[in-house]
Amino acid sequence: AQSVTQPDIHITVSEGASLELRCNYSYGATPYLFWYVQSPGQGLQLLLKYFSGDTLVQGIKGFEAEFKRSQSSFNLRKPSVHWSDAAEYFCAVGLSGNTPLVFGKGTRLSVIA
Amino acid sequence: GAGVSQSPSNKVTEKGKDVELRCDPISGHTALYWYRQSLGQGLEFLIYFQGNSAPDKSGLPSDRFSAERTGGSVSTLTIQRTQQEDSAVYLCASGSRTLGETQYFGPGTRLLVL
Repeated sequence: AQSVTQPDIHITVSEGASLELRCNYSYGATPYLFWYVQSPGQGLQLLLKYFSGDTLVQGIKGFEAEFKRSQSSFNLRKPSVHWSDAAEYFCAVGLSGNTPLVFGKGTRLSVIA
Repeated sequence: GAGVSQSPSNKVTEKGKDVELRCDPISGHTALYWYRQSLGQGLEFLIYFQGNSAPDKSGLPSDRFSAERTGGSVSTLTIQRTQQEDSAVYLCASGSRTLGETQYFGPGTRLLVL
């Protein structure tokens, strides 16, 4: 069965510092990969997705992610974090974009001045 | 509306009562999903609709949980004889193959069973 691992439960970064959130997946084929963000009391907002093609994908709010097949990873990055980026981040995989997604447990990001 | 809407936003109920949660998907989206988000379990898939049919109900945790979708639009998730372990945020998402194969989530219904 497919699974998603986000090894970091909580990360704290300083405003302006770079960020990398890790995501590893276990899947039989090349999956559809997603990163969602959830602010307190809100639903999930899509940051970016990878289906095929260029392995470096750009998303909203200055985020990017890189698909590395050899490492079964899809890490999320941002060069300079803003205080408004504080939220919970979820990595998800699916057979396609229109099949049920399997989510990681999430990484909570705190941003300090 | 422009996005997925869910109602109620919050629901407090007593153990043993039935509850109904509603989801209004984005207009034109043929696929609809229910997920549950709880502290111990993270985000779990419950059920998936394509049109009015549910090809995948594998995530429903017990027969107390059921869902229906009518007119290819609104969906209702019903929990009968609620238990305290049903307390969670219930999230609905919708999507469409012709609109980018992405699931768009609603704000969720926070259910508390006392």
